[in-house]
Amino acid sequence: EVQLVESGGGLVQPGGSLRLSCAASRFRFDDYGMHWVRQVPGKGLEWVSGISWNSGSVAYADSVKGRFTISRDNAEKSLYLQMNSLRAEDTAFYYCAKDRSNSGGNYDGVDYWGQGTLVTVSS
Amino acid sequence: QLVLTQSPSASASLGASVKLTCTLSSGHSSYAIAWHQQRPEEGPRYLMKLDSDGNHDKGDGIPDRFSGSSSGTERYLTISSLQSDDEADYYCQTWGPGIVIFGGGTKLTVL
Repeated sequence: EVQLVESGGGLVQPGGSLRLSCAASRFRFDDYGMHWVRQVPGKGLEWVSGISWNSGSVAYADSVKGRFTISRDNAEKSLYLQMNSLRAEDTAFYYCAKDRSNSGGNYDGVDYWGQGTLVTVSS
Repeated sequence: QLVLTQSPSASASLGASVKLTCTLSSGHSSYAIAWHQQRPEEGPRYLMKLDSDGNHDKGDGIPDRFSGSSSGTERYLTISSLQSDDEADYYCQTWGPGIVIFGGGTKLTVL
């Protein structure tokens, strides 16, 4: 079965940076779009960013635009999220998620999730 | 503007059925959605993709007790023969060019 394993979470001060990674296995990583989705503990899911199979199309939620950068390395079967200028409101579990679509920059819904990594922004 | 609306809570008895609703914003009745389940202290799990015709494509290992249907801007998730481990938060998700939206989630309590 598809496996997605996030890493890189932790405690960071406001204004700081953090880079999340997601290691993918048991599917053809370079065929599918991928996403980062976050969840403040006790709250709902919030989409953060998405990237197409070939990195040709990327998109961001308004709340992170200009501060976060999504990227992928298909040779390493890895997805990344570079988070800069972090704020207290970025504190959340961050989930790596696979899209159903292998068609260009179009999305088709998430069909697999990782277990998440916790990012805490606090002084 | 693309928006998904879900009731915050629902409840039903053990062994009964429950129908959860996800409503798309006006003008978006052709959009497909996906349903996801999140049990307490766990990550989300994909249940199914549901299109505007009511066709659904379930995830690996999702039992037949879970089904989906559609009517206009409403998308439904029906869970029959409720079990205790169906108690969870249920989220709907939709998408468009360069955007993904989640509903606020419905907390299902199994009585």
